[in-house]
Amino acid sequence: GAVVSQHPSRVICKSGTSVKIECRSLDFQATTMFWYRQFPKQSLMLMATSNEGSKATYEQGVEKDKFLINHASLTLSTLTVTSAHPEDSSFYICSATGPSLTYEQYFGPGTRLTVT
Amino acid sequence: SQQGEEDPQALSIQEGENATMNCSYKTSINNLQWYRQNSGRGLVHLILIRSNEREKHSGRLRVTLDTSKKSSSLLITASRAADTASYFCATDDWGSEKLVFGKGTKLTVNP
Repeated sequence: GAVVSQHPSRVICKSGTSVKIECRSLDFQATTMFWYRQFPKQSLMLMATSNEGSKATYEQGVEKDKFLINHASLTLSTLTVTSAHPEDSSFYICSATGPSLTYEQYFGPGTRLTVT
Repeated sequence: SQQGEEDPQALSIQEGENATMNCSYKTSINNLQWYRQNSGRGLVHLILIRSNEREKHSGRLRVTLDTSKKSSSLLITASRAADTASYFCATDDWGSEKLVFGKGTKLTVNP
């Protein structure tokens, strides 16, 4: 149980285009989802917290207009990187918690974004 | 800034040996969690220890927590090559669902 999927697993896009990454909780309802980015050989940095049906809460320094997060249902959150630039290239990981999964976060497999 | 700091940053051992990783944090916590990440993959939750617990076991994993020193350790006994991965501790601020991750320890278990 508690499986989280992400799609796509890898994406290459051209500078200036937008990319959408999906995060789904497959067997539980995720009241809260989190989006992280991870640079090579570094730790995860929280970008934003999203609750179903409400606006995402962004961490300091994260541009909300660049990283659009939508949590439209209890099983789906999306992260859209708008007007992507090469410096946005990174590993993006989502995680989810649900009402019965107190404190533990269940992570998706990540999405490798490369902006050329 | 990140709250958790793992030590060592990298650890290389032989199969069968024990691996110990340490984590320090700065503020009061509700619980501390350890996660594992294989290269280029997502994180897998290993174990959660609450602030009122001092030690917890799960299979070959043993976690300790010393809230007076704001530190935790993860011990993997009888390591296997398949244990090769990066290990992260993560803490939450009391009452918050958000996790703050340490920099991680890259463990290599040589067969």
